[in-house]
Amino acid sequence: DTLLTQSPALAVSPGERVSISCRASEGVTSYMHWYQQKPGQQPKLLIYKTSNLASGVPARFSGSGSGTDFTLTIDPVETDDTATYFCQQSWNAPYTFGAGTKLELK
Amino acid sequence: QVKLLQSGAELVKPGASVKLSCKTSGFTFSTNYMSWLKQVPGPSIEWIGWIYGGDGGTHYNQKFKDKATLTVDKSSSTAYMDLSSLTSEDAAVYFCTRFAPSSGYPFDYWGQGVMVTVSS
Repeated sequence: DTLLTQSPALAVSPGERVSISCRASEGVTSYMHWYQQKPGQQPKLLIYKTSNLASGVPARFSGSGSGTDFTLTIDPVETDDTATYFCQQSWNAPYTFGAGTKLELK
Repeated sequence: QVKLLQSGAELVKPGASVKLSCKTSGFTFSTNYMSWLKQVPGPSIEWIGWIYGGDGGTHYNQKFKDKATLTVDKSSSTAYMDLSSLTSEDAAVYFCTRFAPSSGYPFDYWGQGVMVTVSS
């Protein structure tokens, strides 16, 4: 299975820019997606296929990367962005998720 | 708008089976794919499989092929997942999602999730 590695946690101040990384154990071309999950809620799709903004998602969120290295950027960060962020690949079966990066606001 | 409404929390005994449901609205069920996902605290998420609403065709993660059975009822736009021979390893929150091949296969809409507890 394709392993996706994310840093476990980040802490930033409101108004700053934050980049959340995801590294795949093998190439996934551009088939990387990002989700936001708040406590007690279902995940919400933010970015699909590396850099496409999902419907209703603020333009503060953006994605980049290719192959094995991908990044979700939030700029500027707002207090409401406190959540866990997951990457997920759909190039190699079975589809897999990273373990999540917990974003805390200072 | 797109809605996925899952059935309520389940408490099941070890060795038993459970059937989870996911009623959809706001899109054409018969031309879309549905997927089921498992989340345990950690908080890791695993993909279980997908099913096509049109003909019930399925594709499973090999890890779950003997555990989960996906079905659909087109007449009610509802997806189902049967989980069999439950053990403590199956205790988790299960999500149904719409699965979007046209967008590169993300899970673009999610149900609210259902907690399955396995206990005697």
